[in-house]
Amino acid sequence: GAGVSQSPSNKVTEKGKDVELRCDPISGHTALYWYRQSLGQGLEFLIYFQGNSAPDKSGLPSDRFSAERTGGSVSTLTIQRTQQEDSAVYLCASSLGARYYEQYFGPGTRLTVT
Amino acid sequence: DAKTTQPTSMDCAEGRAANLPCNHSTISGNEYVYWYRQIHSQGPQYIIHGLKNNETNEMASLIITEDRKSSTLILPHATLRDTAVYYCNTMGSGSGNTGKLIFGQGTTLQVKP
Repeated sequence: GAGVSQSPSNKVTEKGKDVELRCDPISGHTALYWYRQSLGQGLEFLIYFQGNSAPDKSGLPSDRFSAERTGGSVSTLTIQRTQQEDSAVYLCASSLGARYYEQYFGPGTRLTVT
Repeated sequence: DAKTTQPTSMDCAEGRAANLPCNHSTISGNEYVYWYRQIHSQGPQYIIHGLKNNETNEMASLIITEDRKSSTLILPHATLRDTAVYYCNTMGSGSGNTGKLIFGQGTTLQVKP
């Protein structure tokens, strides 16, 4: 079946603009995660959804970052007033639930803030 | 932060077994060991996880020591496509677990022809 998809695959934006990143998880996966990975850096957790709720949003770096999930499916990560330090690959992953160790990752969105 | 230590890099000859060690000396009783890998320019890929018994799947085997303080991921017949960064970490199985993955620096495995 279809895996996790993300769009756009690449996004170049000017500093100060808002961006929206989309994630379509695997159908039936109740858990959804957003991570980001800066060049040469490790994986940084941003937020976790169980269904449409976000019980753990401890990784969001500032209040410019927000995310929502609707219908227990699609999720959108929004970054307002983008800064150059926001440049990274934003990865979405889904799983059957938090107790499942197997997360399926999408291909990521490469965000470049100029 | 990751609660594990791994060698920074390893080489392996194509067709040979790749044995990647991981130290997790502070692991607690309800924590599993899990492994992921990340091939260049791709998202992370789940490999395997285990609690205390050895585990095997179509990708790899996981050998956990009796005291659970360390483990070894074995790729039985490494191919060039196995060249990647391999991440090991531990995660609890309790109800408060959110499942978020934490990766350290990992081991860069280079499979050579």
